[in-house]
Amino acid sequence: DAMVIQNPRYQVTQFGKPVTLSCSQTLNHNVMYWYQQKSSQAPKLLFHYYDKDFNNEADTPDNFQSRRPNTSFCFLDIRSPGLGDAAMYLCATSRDFRNEQFFGPGTRLTVL
Amino acid sequence: EDQVTQSPEALRLQEGESSSLNCSYTVSGLRGLFWYRQDPGKGPEFLFTLYSAGEEKEKERLKATLTKKESFLHITAPKPEDSATYLCAVQPISSGSARQLTFGSGTQLTVLP
Repeated sequence: DAMVIQNPRYQVTQFGKPVTLSCSQTLNHNVMYWYQQKSSQAPKLLFHYYDKDFNNEADTPDNFQSRRPNTSFCFLDIRSPGLGDAAMYLCATSRDFRNEQFFGPGTRLTVL
Repeated sequence: EDQVTQSPEALRLQEGESSSLNCSYTVSGLRGLFWYRQDPGKGPEFLFTLYSAGEEKEKERLKATLTKKESFLHITAPKPEDSATYLCAVQPISSGSARQLTFGSGTQLTVLP
């Protein structure tokens, strides 16, 4: 089945220790998104790629970076995680900006 | 700025007790309104897209409707497995990468057996 896969599902890191989250898709979609979702809150868009074109949301902290080496994979790098970065990180894809987004299962990040 | 407000924040129903969830929105031209279901600890699962006032879509016990200011998700004779958080999101009529979704905070539905 075509899908969006995120690894790991759970990630524990220490304050200030860099961490990388991974997303892959078999849908062959052009757009890939990274969202941050905190408990009982709406998902918050961090950035997205249309193919290799990168767009950073204005309020996304500089601490967050992303890479998309090819169509199938996208990475979220948190350079120096703080306690406030503990959240669920969701990857989503869509064929185009006009189409519905399909989400992966998420990575739960804990910062100690 | 686009805004989405969902109500109620939480809803508890007995199995078989039908009800509706509300999604009120303000957007500078609506291109589409999306409903998602999110189970605890998982990513949102796509349910419906609505594009114009008067449109309705159904899937099993769920029916989504759209007006110019709000959308309703009607749940008919719910079962415990319908328990989840239901998220609503709007997409503006904008060009290219500006067509991003604005999500509401969701309605947490619990269906008791």
